[in-house]
Amino acid sequence: SQELEQSPQSLIVQEGKNLTINCTSSKTLYGLYWYKQKYGEGLIFLMMLQKGGEEKSHEKITAKLDEKKQQSSLHITASQPSHAGIYLCGADGNRDDKIIFGKGTRLHILP
Amino acid sequence: NAGVMQNPRHLVRRRGQEARLRCSPMKGHSHVYWYRQLPEEGLKFMVYLQKENIIDESGMPKERFSAEFPKEGPSILRIQQVVRGDSAAYFCASSPPVLDTQYFGPGTRLTVL
Repeated sequence: SQELEQSPQSLIVQEGKNLTINCTSSKTLYGLYWYKQKYGEGLIFLMMLQKGGEEKSHEKITAKLDEKKQQSSLHITASQPSHAGIYLCGADGNRDDKIIFGKGTRLHILP
Repeated sequence: NAGVMQNPRHLVRRRGQEARLRCSPMKGHSHVYWYRQLPEEGLKFMVYLQKENIIDESGMPKERFSAEFPKEGPSILRIQQVVRGDSAAYFCASSPPVLDTQYFGPGTRLTVL
C-alpha cells in the first residue's frame, strides 16, 4: 500500500525566514495535495499537483512535484505567524477515491 | 457558497452510547468522504459515499461503524456502543461529480468518557 513520509516532523522558524517541507511517496503519484490544518481545526486546501515537474504558487507558498512524481516540496518564503500550523501532504495514488495522508509537519513561527 | 458543514463540532459520549456525526457537502458536490484523525496520528480514510451508495468502505472498522448518504439530507457517520478508543476528530470531505480536490469540513471532535 502507498505510504507518504513527511519531513521534518516539526519545524521552528524565526519569523521572516524561509522554510521547506518535504513529502516522499513509496509509489508514483497520480495527484499530490497539500493541506494546512490549524491546531484543533479543519483542513484548508492549499494546492494540488498532478504533472511531473509541476510547480504552483499561492502568495508566499510554492509547491513542486518532481519529474518522477514521487516527491514534493512545499516552500514558504518570508514566513509569518499566520503560516503556523500543521502541513499535510496527501496522495491520490490511483485516481480513485481515498487520499492517503502523511503524518504532517508541525510548523511554529517565532516572532 | 458555503463550505462543507459538520455538526456537532464537539460531541461527548459515555462508553456504550451511540454517536451520530453529520456532514453536509458543498453545494453541487455529490461525493462524500469520511476520515478519522486519532491523537498523535495522521488522517486516515474511512469511507467514500455517493448519494445512496457506499463506494469504498475499506477504512471502516468492521464492527459498530456505519455510514450513509441518503438521497435527501446530510451524510451520517454512526458509531454504536462507543469505546474510549473511538475518541478522535472525524472529518468529512466532499468533491464534485468529476473526481477532483476534496474540500474538508471543520471536523467533529468526539470524546468518549
